[in-house]
Amino acid sequence: DTGVSQNPRHKITKRGQNVTFRCDPISEHNRLYWYRQTLGQGPEFLTYFQNEAQLEKSRLLSDRFSAERPKGSFSTLEIQRTEQGDSAMYLCASSLRGAGEKLFFGSGTQLSVL
Amino acid sequence: AQSVTQLDSQVPVFEEAPVELRCNYSSSVSVYLFWYVQYPNQGLQLLLKYLSGSTLVKGINGFEAEFNKSQTSFHLRKPSVHISDTAEYFCAVTVQGAQKLVFGQGTRLTINP
Repeated sequence: DTGVSQNPRHKITKRGQNVTFRCDPISEHNRLYWYRQTLGQGPEFLTYFQNEAQLEKSRLLSDRFSAERPKGSFSTLEIQRTEQGDSAMYLCASSLRGAGEKLFFGSGTQLSVL
Repeated sequence: AQSVTQLDSQVPVFEEAPVELRCNYSSSVSVYLFWYVQYPNQGLQLLLKYLSGSTLVKGINGFEAEFNKSQTSFHLRKPSVHISDTAEYFCAVTVQGAQKLVFGQGTRLTINP
């Protein structure tokens, strides 16, 4: 168990650029979640995968955001045409089963949009 | 929809003193409740959870929480804190069949020597 890994740890970009983040969950976990956390706030749910299927998306996930989990293993979160309001910590978590199960979180990717 | 309110954004306490971090939730159906801790530069870790059964839940690092349905609360307690407990603590709620956790805004616990 090597934990949930997220890359990069930090990303600085200019407004209007596209960015992509990667999450590698714990290998046997079939559920994967993306959350966003801004300063002084708790994490906010963005989206959820069971294996390769994206089963739920938050209204926070505008059409500029897209997430994939092509083979049910790692996942990517892409933000197109970034805006300053996208600046946040993007957290990935995984679990073996669903509601009520412990989530294992990565350390996050800190995005700064200039 | 569920929501969580953590009543204190910051709680300073002296080392070896007891602490209580307050959490209230709102839901029209039965809930699952969690406390997660975020140490500096680390990912969130589960402290404890309540799914059903005994309303007093014991977690890691000497923490415990009590589910109070009538008060819609899930306060976190520790009888004697250590410097190493300095962290941000998040209360979270979900319901059976749902996949997402709804987090509170967090409480920063600062331990003074």
